[in-house]
Amino acid sequence: GAVVSQHPSWVICKSGTSVKIECRSLDFQATTMFWYRQFPKQSLMLMATSNEGSKATYEQGVEKDKFLINHASLTLSTLTVTSAHPEDSSFYICSARVVETQYFGPGTRLLVL
Amino acid sequence: DAKTTQPPSMDCAEGRAANLPCNHSTISGNEYVYWYRQIHSQGPQYIIHGLKNNETNEMASLIITEDRKSSTLILPHATLRDTAVYYCIVRPYSNDYKLSFGAGTTVTVRA
Repeated sequence: GAVVSQHPSWVICKSGTSVKIECRSLDFQATTMFWYRQFPKQSLMLMATSNEGSKATYEQGVEKDKFLINHASLTLSTLTVTSAHPEDSSFYICSARVVETQYFGPGTRLLVL
Repeated sequence: DAKTTQPPSMDCAEGRAANLPCNHSTISGNEYVYWYRQIHSQGPQYIIHGLKNNETNEMASLIITEDRKSSTLILPHATLRDTAVYYCIVRPYSNDYKLSFGAGTTVTVRA
């Protein structure tokens, strides 16, 4: 149980384009999902908290207009990186909360050329 | 939030128990201890968590000292697939359930 999927697992895009990443809880409903970013040889950094039916809460220093989060259902949250630039290249990971535990997806590797 | 201190790296022998220490000397009474691991290029995997009592599941055991200032994650029979970065995280009891990841311990299991 508590399986979280992400799609796509890999994405390469041109600078200036937008990229959407999906996060799904497969066997449970999640009112809260989280989005993290991880740069090479660094730890995970929380970007935002996504609550179903309400606006996401962003961590300090994360541009909410650049990283659009939508949590339209209890099993799906999406992260859209708008006008992506090479410095946005990273490993994006989502998690979904079940009671007091977060379960993580496999991650999406984004490369912006 | 309480900070955690973990050794940067550890080597373990395959088939032996792996004991991973974590120091959280500033932990408060309502803060939980969580352990996750991240195998290379994958999302973190939940292992176990606890508040005061020792906990055991199919993956590992969590031993929390009586003063709660430190804990040990025990992998009873390490295998090569247990090679990963292990994160010890202290999470305050709150409504936001956020996790703050540190550098973790890179555990290498050797044959």
